[in-house]
Amino acid sequence: DAMVIQNPRYQVTQFGKPVTLSCSQTLNHNVMYWYQQKSSQAPKLLFHYYDKDFNNEADTPDNFQSRRPNTSFCFLDIRSPGLGDAAMYLCATSILGGSMNRAFFGQGTRLTVV
Amino acid sequence: RKEVEQDPGPFNVPEGATVAFNCTYSNSASQSFFWYRQDCRKEPKLLMSVYSSGNEDGRFTAQLNRASQYISLLIRDSKLSDSATYLCVVYDYGGATNKLIFGTGTLLAVQP
Repeated sequence: DAMVIQNPRYQVTQFGKPVTLSCSQTLNHNVMYWYQQKSSQAPKLLFHYYDKDFNNEADTPDNFQSRRPNTSFCFLDIRSPGLGDAAMYLCATSILGGSMNRAFFGQGTRLTVV
Repeated sequence: RKEVEQDPGPFNVPEGATVAFNCTYSNSASQSFFWYRQDCRKEPKLLMSVYSSGNEDGRFTAQLNRASQYISLLIRDSKLSDSATYLCVVYDYGGATNKLIFGTGTLLAVQP
């Protein structure tokens, strides 16, 4: 059974139209991450939550916001998508401490901006 | 300098070959290290964790050199199914900071 679930798998949105991507987990992990991955590039960390503490990467555009209403769910909001925001968005979770801090990834949401 | 650096490749090798990937990281305080595999248009999947003593899983051997801030992955007897991008991942932990930092990945293409 999938432990980190992202919805939708594929999302098409119009230029400038707000879009929300969702991620849920059944692992009860305290850390959740959002990564952006463009073609032929490494996943780039946008932000992460440690429990309810939000940590934004310095170079994450203001256009990207996130919400974590509870342990299980995390959302990525793109307020005004541009063509350059087309990418795969990966959600991951991990548990803090020791060798258990490997990350579990969802299958990703592939975002197309038209 | 990038936080995690890898040779992007591509590495084109024949079936049965041995191939080695290298990775360097900039933060000497990094705690944990991993190799992930990513197939085209799929999410990254954990291949193996990397321990200071080195570890082996079948045809795959990972090594960590903390003094040199260097991680390696060795694949023996390459299979066609090994073709993928291999991502070096470093975990930095400190207070509220829990960051998994990815290298750019190394593309491996195993040829018949």
